[in-house]
Amino acid sequence: EPEVTQTPSHQVTQMGQEVILRCVPISNHLYFYWYRQILGQKVEFLVSFYNNEISEKSEIFDDQFSVERPDGSNFTLKIRSTKLEDSAMYFCASRPGTGRIKLFFGSGTQLSVL
Amino acid sequence: LAKTTQPISMDSYEGQEVNITCSHNNIATNDYITWYQQFPSQGPRFIIQGYKTKVTNEVASLFIPADRKSSTLSLPRVSLSDTAVYYCLVGDYAGNMLTFGGGTRLMVKP
Repeated sequence: EPEVTQTPSHQVTQMGQEVILRCVPISNHLYFYWYRQILGQKVEFLVSFYNNEISEKSEIFDDQFSVERPDGSNFTLKIRSTKLEDSAMYFCASRPGTGRIKLFFGSGTQLSVL
Repeated sequence: LAKTTQPISMDSYEGQEVNITCSHNNIATNDYITWYQQFPSQGPRFIIQGYKTKVTNEVASLFIPADRKSSTLSLPRVSLSDTAVYYCLVGDYAGNMLTFGGGTRLMVKP
């Protein structure tokens, strides 16, 4: 089965630094998502991206966050100035434009902000 | 957006059938119901999707009553490897804000 790939698998950064989390969604998918999961908690929606623009975002996705699809294949999440509370597992997901609402998730990037 | 409510946790034993129910009282006409499984440190994995009545695949069944205000995921003869968190998610095909609920932590014991 095709896979969503995420890099890096682990990222350690200092508070206030910028980080970019990278994702390669499945090639023929049209909808792209970022989720995060703080240890022991539920999966939280951050943002969805369709037709080269943000379609929805949650209240978590404030001005410190941005997403980009720079080259038609990669999908990135940037956190401009990281805070301690940004420490979490970040998951990228994608799905086709039709058929089932089947989200394909990557294996995640564990972000630790020190 | 249809909010979902599930039990926080459930225990079962190997070989038993497990039924996990999700409430979604304000489900919209165009919404579908999907269920995901998540193991620690992994992304959620799609299990099954339905709109109404019953759907069955190789791993689970999904029961949806006529009013669609709830759904039940049925796992036949669970094994230890089915220990995971199970999420129901409600949304339509144009769904952009696909939001997970709290999930049900299933513990399968020997």
